[in-house]
Amino acid sequence: KNQVEQSPQSLIILEGKNCTLQCNYTVSPFSNLRWYKQDTGRGPVSLTIMTFSENTKSNGRYTATLDADTKQSSLHITASQLSDSASYICVVSAPRGGADGLTFGKGTHLIIQP
Amino acid sequence: DSGVTQTPKHLITATGQRVTLRCSPRSGDLSVYWYQQSLDQGLQFLIQYYNGEERAKGNILERFSAQQFPDLHSELNLSSLELGDSALYFCASSVVGTGGMNTEAFFGQGTRLTVV
Repeated sequence: KNQVEQSPQSLIILEGKNCTLQCNYTVSPFSNLRWYKQDTGRGPVSLTIMTFSENTKSNGRYTATLDADTKQSSLHITASQLSDSASYICVVSAPRGGADGLTFGKGTHLIIQP
Repeated sequence: DSGVTQTPKHLITATGQRVTLRCSPRSGDLSVYWYQQSLDQGLQFLIQYYNGEERAKGNILERFSAQQFPDLHSELNLSSLELGDSALYFCASSVVGTGGMNTEAFFGQGTRLTVV
């Protein structure tokens, strides 16, 4: 069964600090992996998309890494800001059409404290 | 603003009732997806439509149904509502189906349904 596991479930850090969120998946075959940011009560917004051939992708202070061999991804946030407080969701897709090819993690709830 | 519009933003209704949630996709997007997000749970895929036809089905209850109209907007109908149906319902759209393609799905702001 395709699964996406994220850790930690929740994380509290001080403003200005860095943090790393983890995503392990068992989706196979694998097509691509996305990280989304979801503010409370709002729709998810895409941060990065990576295919199996990409090891790292950055979007401002967000850097995602992917190890397709170990089926692990991480999202590193640098110099955190209060606005980074949100849930971060890892989504893995299989190479077939349709949304049933997407497997969502439950997300990491990140809180940035001043 | 993702360009995906969902209405209403909030909905409070009683058990046993029926409601309709509406989604207007981004201009040019042919695929519409519906997701349910219960409290502290991840996004659960319900159903996908592509250019008016059902494309994929997830964990959608028989009490729920959806359709996509010729103008590409979609409606999610929830009937015989139960307390456990209280959740955020998100709609997303993309140009084509996701999965094998690196096409991004853009999410609406969601409809918060509360069943009392």
